[in-house]
Amino acid sequence: EAAVTQSPRNKVTVTGGNVTLSCRQTNSHNYMYWYRQDTGHGLRLIHYSYGAGNLQIGDVPDGYKATRTTQEDFFLLLELASPSQTSLYFCASSATGTGDEQYFGPGTRLTVL
Amino acid sequence: GDSVTQTEGQVALSEEDFLTIHCNYSASGYPALFWYVQYPGEGPQFLFRASRDKEKGSSRGFEATYDKGTTSFHLRKASVQESDSAVYYCALGHNAGAKLTFGGGTRLTVRP
Repeated sequence: EAAVTQSPRNKVTVTGGNVTLSCRQTNSHNYMYWYRQDTGHGLRLIHYSYGAGNLQIGDVPDGYKATRTTQEDFFLLLELASPSQTSLYFCASSATGTGDEQYFGPGTRLTVL
Repeated sequence: GDSVTQTEGQVALSEEDFLTIHCNYSASGYPALFWYVQYPGEGPQFLFRASRDKEKGSSRGFEATYDKGTTSFHLRKASVQESDSAVYYCALGHNAGAKLTFGGGTRLTVRP
């Protein structure tokens, strides 16, 4: 079974702060994703990648950068955090693209004061 | 653009009740349709998918049938248990690329 881990699990920062969320998957999946989850909005895709060095823009990318350094590791960067980015962030991975099951990590709760 | 609508934000049932959670989508062609379940404190888990008109997906007693005519993929279970209490998400896989579009989620609470 695919394993997706995220760190940290909880993070508190201040407005204007710099935050990096980490995600690692250990099942050799090609695709990795970053979502945010907010009440009333479900899960919304921020960025995704289909391999090391690749980055694709999701549906809510503003204020976020991402980098895929290896097949296993995908990072989400908030360089000037704002209170509107307070959310629960999930990383996911899948072997292929359309129609494939995505495996989710346990989530990172980010609070921007 | 593509979208997914879940009519019920919250559903409260008693054990052994019948469950229906409505999911309607808007998309061109034949997108893949999914149901995911999220238990408290965890990430969403894949439940099942369907990719063609009239195809039925099922898992753990839950089922849904792809209906292109009504653009629906309603989740049903004949007899719910307290352990089914969770948030359920309907999702749509785009015809090209790897993106999933999720509905707003439905919180199911089952009373013992």
